[in-house]
Amino acid sequence: SQQGEEDPQALSIQEGENATMNCSYKTSINNLQWYRQNSGRGLVHLILIRSNEREKHSGRLRVTLDTSKKSSSLLITASRAADTASYFCATALDTGNQFYFGTGTSLTVIP
Amino acid sequence: EAGVAQSPRYKIIEKRQSVAFWCNPISGHATLYWYQQILGQGPKLLIQFQNNGVVDDSQLPKDRFSAERLKGVDSTLKIQPAKLEDSAVYLCASSLGGRTYEQYFGPGTRLTVT
Repeated sequence: SQQGEEDPQALSIQEGENATMNCSYKTSINNLQWYRQNSGRGLVHLILIRSNEREKHSGRLRVTLDTSKKSSSLLITASRAADTASYFCATALDTGNQFYFGTGTSLTVIP
Repeated sequence: EAGVAQSPRYKIIEKRQSVAFWCNPISGHATLYWYQQILGQGPKLLIQFQNNGVVDDSQLPKDRFSAERLKGVDSTLKIQPAKLEDSAVYLCASSLGGRTYEQYFGPGTRLTVT
């Protein structure tokens, strides 16, 4: 694939635990974005991190970016049942206009 | 603020028939995207408009898919003729600018080709 392979494909945790998912990509990026998709719904933007940034926080979300390893991670702390969804990373390439979504991580938070 | 609107929400057609999807982006958003999401996969960008001009359509199967954005606002995506492998959810998204801005997604149109 062009870009954005998430790992793991599926993750199941207990409510209150932390969830970590990873994204790897192949070519230089301008920015990387994380989106959430609840079953049967559209995607919701979570956070955008630019190529010159290494870490960003938003509420219970923490995103890191390592451009030397071409990878990013999304950490959700103190997970809730409502966090159950699929999570996708998306990369905007450094050149051109293409925008690629990864394959997604399916997260299940058990109450 | 109203979100991205799409219609219809569901569509079932037979192969070789044609179908059209409609999208109304958030007011003031210059960029509009159409994605195809096959079950179990991430969205695949089909076409990107900046106002009423095409910025990227490199992954649009142009022999059967077409899209237009009239007056830089609403957009339609058409498939003619449809194939079984076109069964997917078609997502529309909009953003203030290009790829450095977050995208707002509509609920999608679920297409089943039989």
